[in-house]
Amino acid sequence: GQQVMQIPQYQHVQEGEDFTTYCNSSTTLSNIQWYKQRPGGHPVFLIQLVKSGEVKKQKRLTFQFGEAKKNSSLHITATQTTDVGTYFCAAGYALNFGKGTSLLVTP
Amino acid sequence: NAGVTQTPKFQVLKTGQSMTLQCAQDMNHNSMYWYRQDPGMGLRLIYYSASEGTTDKGEVPNGYNVSRLNKREFSLRLESAAPSQTSVYFCASSESYEGQPQHFGDGTRLSIL
Repeated sequence: GQQVMQIPQYQHVQEGEDFTTYCNSSTTLSNIQWYKQRPGGHPVFLIQLVKSGEVKKQKRLTFQFGEAKKNSSLHITATQTTDVGTYFCAAGYALNFGKGTSLLVTP
Repeated sequence: NAGVTQTPKFQVLKTGQSMTLQCAQDMNHNSMYWYRQDPGMGLRLIYYSASEGTTDKGEVPNGYNVSRLNKREFSLRLESAAPSQTSVYFCASSESYEGQPQHFGDGTRLSIL
């Protein structure tokens, strides 16, 4: 299966600071998906990346897929308290989820 | 549009009891999944059904059984609950098994005493 590792496990930032989470694999990934889970909620699909070197943006969120398709990143510019939650990457057919990065934003 | 509906939302069981978690989707999706989520462990796949009539084991299937009742419904059964099965259980569905985005239900919070 397409296993993925996420770092960091936790991140605590001041509101307005940037945030990045990384997703790495030892094997080439066919695609990668990103999900957000708010505290007490369920995972919600954010985006899917398929092409080598692909970059997609959603407002303050920037998603990248590495040239070798073995890593991906999610960058949030100028975090807000609404960004609080756990961000998961997932890959493979039935989706192997990383353990997630929990983001805490202090006002 | 309900999406993925899970019942019950909360349940407390005693060790050895059995129960079935229900999941239904109204998006005409072919594939359905059951995950468990434990603190610090992310989401771990228990079983999945790539299409109606098929089921397959995921990463952590021991102690569970599933039934794909029809295209809409996918249930998860604990035959003899154990404290190690205390967790939050999520059902999800997707259009197909081939790496499509998954839509999750609200989860069932299950405690086994």
